[in-house]
Amino acid sequence: GAGVSQSPSNKVTEKGKDVELRCDPISGHTALYWYRQSLGQGLEFLIYFQGNSAPDKSGLPSDRFSAERTGGSVSTLTIQRTQQEDSAVYLCASKLLQTDTQYFGPGTRLTVL
Amino acid sequence: DAKTTQPPSMDCAEGRAANLPCNHSTISGNEYVYWYRQIHSQGPQYIIHGLKNNETNEMASLIITEDRKSSTLILPHATLRDTAVYYCIVRVNAGGTSYGKLTFGQGTILTVHP
Repeated sequence: GAGVSQSPSNKVTEKGKDVELRCDPISGHTALYWYRQSLGQGLEFLIYFQGNSAPDKSGLPSDRFSAERTGGSVSTLTIQRTQQEDSAVYLCASKLLQTDTQYFGPGTRLTVL
Repeated sequence: DAKTTQPPSMDCAEGRAANLPCNHSTISGNEYVYWYRQIHSQGPQYIIHGLKNNETNEMASLIITEDRKSSTLILPHATLRDTAVYYCIVRVNAGGTSYGKLTFGQGTILTVHP
């Protein structure tokens, strides 16, 4: 079946612009995560959605970052007034609630000039 | 989550078995051993996990020592496409409870050569 998809695959933007990154999780997966990975670094947790519960936003690095998940499926990560340090690969993962196996999308490579 | 130790890099010849070790001497009784890998420029990929019994799936086998202080991931017939960073993670199964964010250590860079 279809895996987690993300769009765009690459995004180049100018400093100060806003960007939106999209994640389509696996159908039926109620849990959704956003991570980011800087070059050569490990995963940095950003935000977690589970069903209709309030999201865990504890990993968002600043108030320029926000995310929403509409209808319990598609999620959008928005970065306002992008900075060069926001350049990274942004990864989305989803899983079934009762399991602990996360399935990752291919990521969006964000470059802020 | 318990700390894990992996060699920074390993080489393997194509077609041979790749055996990737992981030490987790502080593992707790309710913690599972998970393996993920990340191929260059791709998202992480789940491989296998286990608690105390050996496990096998279509991708790999996981051998956990009886004292559970170490484990080995086995790719039985490595191919060039198995070249990746392999991450061993020890964690409580978060399914159905808390959110279970993943954190990766440095992992092992496995290079499969012709």
